[in-house]
Amino acid sequence: KAGVTQTPRYLIKTRGQQVTLSCSPISGHRSVSWYQQTPGQGLQFLFEYFSETQRNKGNFPGRFSGRQFSNSRSEMNVSTLELGDSALYLCASSNDRGAYEQYFGPGTRLTVT
Amino acid sequence: DQQVKQNSPSLSVQEGRISILNCDYTNSMFDYFLWYKKYPAEGPTFLISISSIKDKNEDGRFTVFLNKSAKHLSLHIVPSQPGDSAVYFCAASADDYKLSFGAGTTVTVRA
Repeated sequence: KAGVTQTPRYLIKTRGQQVTLSCSPISGHRSVSWYQQTPGQGLQFLFEYFSETQRNKGNFPGRFSGRQFSNSRSEMNVSTLELGDSALYLCASSNDRGAYEQYFGPGTRLTVT
Repeated sequence: DQQVKQNSPSLSVQEGRISILNCDYTNSMFDYFLWYKKYPAEGPTFLISISSIKDKNEDGRFTVFLNKSAKHLSLHIVPSQPGDSAVYFCAASADDYKLSFGAGTTVTVRA
């Protein structure tokens, strides 16, 4: 089985711009979660989608949004980028059991200048 | 608020010896705990997990211990191998479709 794929792998944006990141889960997985990883902070939960519905959301501002398509692929969008949004954004998928044993993609490294 | 804490940012251990990684949590609603391993430029990889109804789970060289009264879990790696050098994250879930992660512990296994 192919693993979780994320595109693009690297991205450089300017403050004020917006960005869209994409995630394709493992075939058959319907749950997709997004996390932000910054140095010293571990992984911070952004949101989780299941069958195109957001089931949980972390403590991030409304500039961070996401969606899931009928084929379980997911996108996250960050509008009005700030320098502090520079981070590794990780997508994870899991089967219908939900959050347990999530399988992660390699991440998208976003740099905001 | 950091509900899962890994207070040791780094650990250095000699090859063949035991590595012990610690994790504390504050949310009493957590009922499932996991350890992930992460190499540079890769996403975290699931390592081992434990349900709150157990106090120990073993998988080869990896054993996780859970002390619910102390809200503490630990990961033991025996024997440590050079390929174990990575960042290890502790995570917990309250069955609310999200994982809460610690900040990670960087393990270096010395030859």
